[in-house]
Amino acid sequence: DVKVTQSSRYLVKRTGEKVFLECVQDMDHENMFWYRQDPGLGLRLIYFSYDVKMKEKGDIPEGYSVSREKKERFSLILESASTNQTSMYLCASSLVRDRSSPNYGYTFGSGTRLTVV
Amino acid sequence: AQSVTQLDSQVPVFEEAPVELRCNYSSSVSVYLFWYVQYPNQGLQLLLKYLSGSTLVKGINGFEAEFNKSQTSFHLRKPSVHISDTAEYFCAVSARNSGNTPLVFGKGTRLSVIA
Repeated sequence: DVKVTQSSRYLVKRTGEKVFLECVQDMDHENMFWYRQDPGLGLRLIYFSYDVKMKEKGDIPEGYSVSREKKERFSLILESASTNQTSMYLCASSLVRDRSSPNYGYTFGSGTRLTVV
Repeated sequence: AQSVTQLDSQVPVFEEAPVELRCNYSSSVSVYLFWYVQYPNQGLQLLLKYLSGSTLVKGINGFEAEFNKSQTSFHLRKPSVHISDTAEYFCAVSARNSGNTPLVFGKGTRLSVIA
């Protein structure tokens, strides 16, 4: 099975800190995504990447940046954490060439619950 | 661009009763459709998906969904719910015409099964 691993399950950071959230997938997926989940708002796309060093803004990129230096790793960066970035962050990946197969889908990590104090 | 509307934010239902969670989508292109479930303090788990073929899709845990292209809907159903089905359910779509397309989610429906 494809695995998407997020490095931390829970994280507490102080306002103004630079925060790195790491995501690694082990099945050579081209696409990787970062979502933010908040009660009543569902999952909102922050950034996604379809190749190494490529990135696209999602719906809510403000206050975030990303890095994809290797195909298997996609990092979300909070340059200066703020309390309104307290949330659950979910990473996902998908395989482009699977699109015509019954196996096509998106695989999610377990999430990182970030609290900024 | 795509958008998803889950018509009910909360659905309470008695154990062993049937349930329907409603999902409508908007898209200018053909889409793939997904339902995910999230149990308390856990990540997202795929319930079922519609890629092509039969419009009635069966998933895990006795759930099924029907794709209705004319009504742009993908409602989720279960004939008899259990306490263990208490969770949050998310409907999602992705564009069929591109390999590099993210999932777009609805805001979720919280299903509460009452004993």
